[in-house]
Amino acid sequence: SQTIHQWPATLVQPVGSPLSLECTVEGTSNPNLYWYRQAAGRGLQLLFYSVGIGQISSEVPQNLSASRPQDRQFILSSKKLLLSDSGFYLCAWSVPPTEQYFGPGTRLTVT
Amino acid sequence: QKEVEQNSGPLSVPEGAIASLNCTYSDRGSQSFFWYRQYSGKSPELIMSIYSNGDKEDGRFTAQLNKASQYVSLLIRDSQPSDSATYLCAVAPSGGYNKLIFGAGTRLAVHP
Repeated sequence: SQTIHQWPATLVQPVGSPLSLECTVEGTSNPNLYWYRQAAGRGLQLLFYSVGIGQISSEVPQNLSASRPQDRQFILSSKKLLLSDSGFYLCAWSVPPTEQYFGPGTRLTVT
Repeated sequence: QKEVEQNSGPLSVPEGAIASLNCTYSDRGSQSFFWYRQYSGKSPELIMSIYSNGDKEDGRFTAQLNKASQYVSLLIRDSQPSDSATYLCAVAPSGGYNKLIFGAGTRLAVHP
């Protein structure tokens, strides 16, 4: 069966510090991978998605970036965090045209 | 702009009643529709998918799709306090399955 991991589970970072969140998927090959952000009390905002190694599509302009160095690894990064980057970051996978499945998420607080 | 609309709630229903959650979408070419449940502080969990007009039942859950009206709903029969959560509607827009568009969610509260 497929499993998706995210770490860390929680993170508190000062403004201006860098960020690296990691997501890995087990039990499937060549999945689509997604990064979402959910601000407190809000809906899901798609940040990036990837259909293959090195292929990244950005959905919104921001100070975040994503990379996919391996088939089942997806990384979200920032060089300098902003207060507005606080939120619940969710990684998801799918094998099109089926449903997306979410990881446990990382709760980021920028102070 | 392709959109998915949901009433934010809260929708309050007594235990044992039927909860009805609704969702409308703007992209007439959408083909795939999903319902996710999200408990407070947790990640969304897929509970239903539906691809054809009509009803699809899975246990206490029934998803209903009407493509002509661009409307999808989720019925929860015999609602339990453990069903209290936010329910997210998601739609795969026309042109590919690489992305889902999510509604903002409806908060359901089931009271004993």
